This record gives sequence, structure tokens and C-alpha cells, in this order.
Amino acid sequence: DVKVTQSSRYLVKRTGEKVFLECVQDMDHENMFWYRQDPGLGLRLIYFSYDVKMKEKGDIPEGYSVSREKKERFSLILESASTNQTSMYLCASKLGGANNEQFFGPGTRLTVL
Amino acid sequence: TQLLEQSPQFLSIQEGENLTVYCNSSSVFSSLQWYRQEPGEGPVLLVTVVTGGEVKKLKRLTFQFGDARKDSSLHITAAQPGDTGLYLCAGAVGNQFYFGTGTSLTVIP
Repeated sequence: DVKVTQSSRYLVKRTGEKVFLECVQDMDHENMFWYRQDPGLGLRLIYFSYDVKMKEKGDIPEGYSVSREKKERFSLILESASTNQTSMYLCASKLGGANNEQFFGPGTRLTVL
Repeated sequence: TQLLEQSPQFLSIQEGENLTVYCNSSSVFSSLQWYRQEPGEGPVLLVTVVTGGEVKKLKRLTFQFGDARKDSSLHITAAQPGDTGLYLCAGAVGNQFYFGTGTSLTVIP
């Protein structure tokens, strides 16, 4: 059974804290993605990675960075959390190739106070 | 940024009714996917359509990709409470998908 896991389902942080969100997939997928999901806005791509140590900016990378040191793990980092980063964060992975299915993790609901 | 607009944003219907959800863009996509997301979970793929004009049927769900590959529709026949969820379309450009704004469907028993 294919699986994408995220380190936390719920997280509460304070403004200015450094936040790490971890994502692990067990499918040997080349591509991994970080999205944030907000009501009425759908999913917006923050960063994606098509290989180890490779990263590409998505539509809303400001305030975020990522790390992919191993194929199975893709980390999202909020260097200094702000209240407007309160959101649901979804990680996904897929095989290379344009039309392949994205497999999503269950999401991390982050609240920044 | 490729913007995909879905309509309606919210839909509440009685069990047994039919419904159609629309996904529109001014951009051309190489393929389009539909996902369903249930509360507390990540989206799960329902279908991928690749060819302009393509129609795919999955039991009571019918998906269509527009001839110009800019739009798509999802039609559900005889909706059931188990169809309740957030429906998301996603258009592919290269290796990246751009997601629609979502349609929240509630089917009342």
C-alpha cells in the first residue's frame, strides 16, 4: 500500500519561530511537492523537487524554504513563522512524467499565534 | 500562473439528484485530473483525462475534457451521501499541476 506520511497532523507555533514540516514517501517517487490549502483558494504550490537536492519554486515560495537530502524525504521550513502562514499544508509525491497521479499525505494543520 | 476556476464553489443536494461541476481556465493543459478530498485527509485521484474531447466514466461519475483542453466537467448521476467531499480539478503543465479552487459537495440523505 503506497504511503505519504507527514510528521504532524496538528501544529501550533508562535510568531517568529522556526518550523519544520517533514514528509516521507515509500514509493521511490522522483517528484515531491509542498502545497498549502486555504478555503476558496484551492491548493497552491509552494515548492517542488524532481530529484535529490533539486528544488523549484512554485507559485508562493516567499517565507518558505525546502530541503531534499534523501529521495524519500522532503522538508518544508518556515524560517520565521507569521500568522498569515496559518494554513493546511499538504505534501505529495509522484513518479516522473506529466500525467502520473499525485499521492497526498493527510496534511498538517499549522496555526501560528 | 495558470488559474483554474471551479463552479459552483458550494453545492448541497438531495440524495438521488444529478449534478455537474465545472472547471474552467484560459490556459491549455496537457492533461487534467480530478481529485476528491474528505475532511482530515489529502486529495485522492479520481481520474486523469489526456485527450481533448475525451470522456471517461467511472460508475456514476462522468468526466469530460474540453476540445481545446482548457476546461473540464464532472457529472454525477444519482448522487449518494458517500459522494460528499471537496472536488478539485488540476491541470498539468510539464511536471507541475495547477489546482482549481474546489467545489464542496454535500449530499443529504
